[in-house]
Amino acid sequence: SQTIHQWPATLVQPVGSPLSLECTVEGTSNPNLYWYRQAAGRGLQLLFYSVGIGQISSEVPQNLSASRPQDRQFILSSKKLLLSDSGFYLCAWNPQSDSPLHFGNGTRLTVT
Amino acid sequence: AQSVTQLDSQVPVFEEAPVELRCNYSSSVSVYLFWYVQYPNQGLQLLLKYLSGSTLVKGINGFEAEFNKSQTSFHLRKPSVHISDTAEYFCAVSDPGGSYIPTFGRGTSLIVHP
Repeated sequence: SQTIHQWPATLVQPVGSPLSLECTVEGTSNPNLYWYRQAAGRGLQLLFYSVGIGQISSEVPQNLSASRPQDRQFILSSKKLLLSDSGFYLCAWNPQSDSPLHFGNGTRLTVT
Repeated sequence: AQSVTQLDSQVPVFEEAPVELRCNYSSSVSVYLFWYVQYPNQGLQLLLKYLSGSTLVKGINGFEAEFNKSQTSFHLRKPSVHISDTAEYFCAVSDPGGSYIPTFGRGTSLIVHP
């Protein structure tokens, strides 16, 4: 069966520090991969999605970036965190574009 | 682009009472519709989906939703809620004629009181 792993679960980082959040999917190949950010009362904001290795689409211009170095690995990064980057980050995948999304358990990021 | 409106940010209800969580979407020729549930500090789980066919969709945990094309709605219902149904519920819509990427509503917090 397919599983999605996302880590770390929680992270506290100072302003200006770098960020790396990792997401991996097991039990499938060539999944679509997504990064969402969730802020309280604001729903889910799509940050990046990828339909294949090295193919990244950005939905929101900001100081975050994403990479897909391997088929089932999706990484969210920042060179210098801002206070406004605090939030709950969710990775998700689906086997094809019209399928429901499967979510990881999220990373709670607090920038201090 | 599609948009989704969840009119109620919070819905309090007593245990064993019925509940309806409302979802409206912007008009399109065709849509795929989803309801997800999120328990505290967890990711989202799929409750049910509508892709085509019967407008009444049954999901997990006793939930169901009805697709109403004329009213562009996809309300979620449960005839009798439990304390364990306390969670955040998200409606999502995607456009099969477009990018397929779902757009999510802002969520409705269902609070079940004993």
